[in-house]
Amino acid sequence: AQSVSQHNHHVILSEAASLELGCNYSYGGTVNLFWYVQYPGQHLQLLLKYFSGDPLVKGIKGFEAEFIKSKFSFNLRKPSVQWSDTAEYFCAVANSGTYKYIFGTGTRLKVLA
Amino acid sequence: DTGVSQDPRHKITKRGQNVTFRCDPISEHNRLYWYRQTLGQGPEFLTYFQNEAQLEKSRLLSDRFSAERPKGSFSTLEIQRTEQGDSAMYLCASGQNQETQYFGPGTRLLVL
Repeated sequence: AQSVSQHNHHVILSEAASLELGCNYSYGGTVNLFWYVQYPGQHLQLLLKYFSGDPLVKGIKGFEAEFIKSKFSFNLRKPSVQWSDTAEYFCAVANSGTYKYIFGTGTRLKVLA
Repeated sequence: DTGVSQDPRHKITKRGQNVTFRCDPISEHNRLYWYRQTLGQGPEFLTYFQNEAQLEKSRLLSDRFSAERPKGSFSTLEIQRTEQGDSAMYLCASGQNQETQYFGPGTRLLVL
């Protein structure tokens, strides 16, 4: 069965620190990959997505992610975090050609001002 | 606001009661999805509609759960004879074909 692993469940950083959140999935076929963010009290919002093409994708608010097919990974990065990045981050995978997302368990990020 | 909306946002019920949730998708989206999220977990797929047709139900969706999408517009998710284990956030998302899914704010259910 497909699964998505997010290795870091809780991350605490100071403002201006660099961020990398890991995401690995298990599926051998073509996939679509997503990172969603959930700010406190708000609904899930799309940060960025990868369907095909350049494996380095840029999203909103300075986030980027790199798809490494050989490692089944889609790690999220930001060079310098802000206090407003405090949120929960979810990685999701969908088989290309299907419709349902498989989500990871999420990573809670707390950025200290 | 032209995003996905869900109603109610919160529901407290007693075990054994029936509850119904509504989701209004983004108007031009033909796909509608239901997910369930429990504390400390990511959302889990429950069921999916393309227009009015329900194309897949997860094994998480017991016989007590039923979902409809009449006329391919809004959708309802009904839980009959609620159990304490049904307490969760129920999320609705919509999308156009196989593109990105856009999520609503969710309905938080507490079964006492």
